[in-house]
Amino acid sequence: DTEVTQTPKHLVMGMTNKKSLKCEQHMGHRAMYWYKQKAKKPPELMFVYSYEKLSINESVPSRFSPECPNSSLLNLHLHALQPEDSALYLCASSVGTGQGEAFFGQGTRLTVV
Amino acid sequence: GEDVEQSLFLSVREGDSSVINCTYTDSSSTYLYWYKQEPGAGLQLLTYIFSNMDMKQDQRLTVLLNKKDKHLSLRIADTQTGDSAIYFCAESFSGNTPLVFGKGTRLSVIA
Repeated sequence: DTEVTQTPKHLVMGMTNKKSLKCEQHMGHRAMYWYKQKAKKPPELMFVYSYEKLSINESVPSRFSPECPNSSLLNLHLHALQPEDSALYLCASSVGTGQGEAFFGQGTRLTVV
Repeated sequence: GEDVEQSLFLSVREGDSSVINCTYTDSSSTYLYWYKQEPGAGLQLLTYIFSNMDMKQDQRLTVLLNKKDKHLSLRIADTQTGDSAIYFCAESFSGNTPLVFGKGTRLSVIA
């Protein structure tokens, strides 16, 4: 199994809603990542978890809250988002940070209305 | 800081070879990657090369690395319309830093 699975594939939420994005991998990878990708732009790193601990937070607003319940799962909790937060949110995993192949999920396309 | 540069567009005829180029600034890069992204989809890892290699071939894909010039290229032989996508070059370093992406090259294949 060389897949990173993200759910949901699409999400539309209001600015007062609370929602969560989910990511799962069963490759035994110990590093997991959240990226944000706006249209026609490269992915931008948001968070890195290494061995289930948050190791990098790229100055992301607190309305985005990551969580790593175990080594296979990564969540991104969303609250009070703005329309400019609409983007493709990509999850990725790798054996370790900066090591080896990084596999990406298909992404969750988020629209904030 | 680290920086990865790519040309933004490339247009080729079906059946021709495509060459997508990338330059990077940090000589301590350990892994260099090529990802493909089709419209509305996530990133698909195509291939990667370790910094101690000069070349890697995988079916229609050939990656060339010139460490001295910090230049990476991806050659796609016999380009097909299904190869139309955005191709991202990315690098990662030894230690704890994750991927740094280029801005992506949009490849258009003309039938």
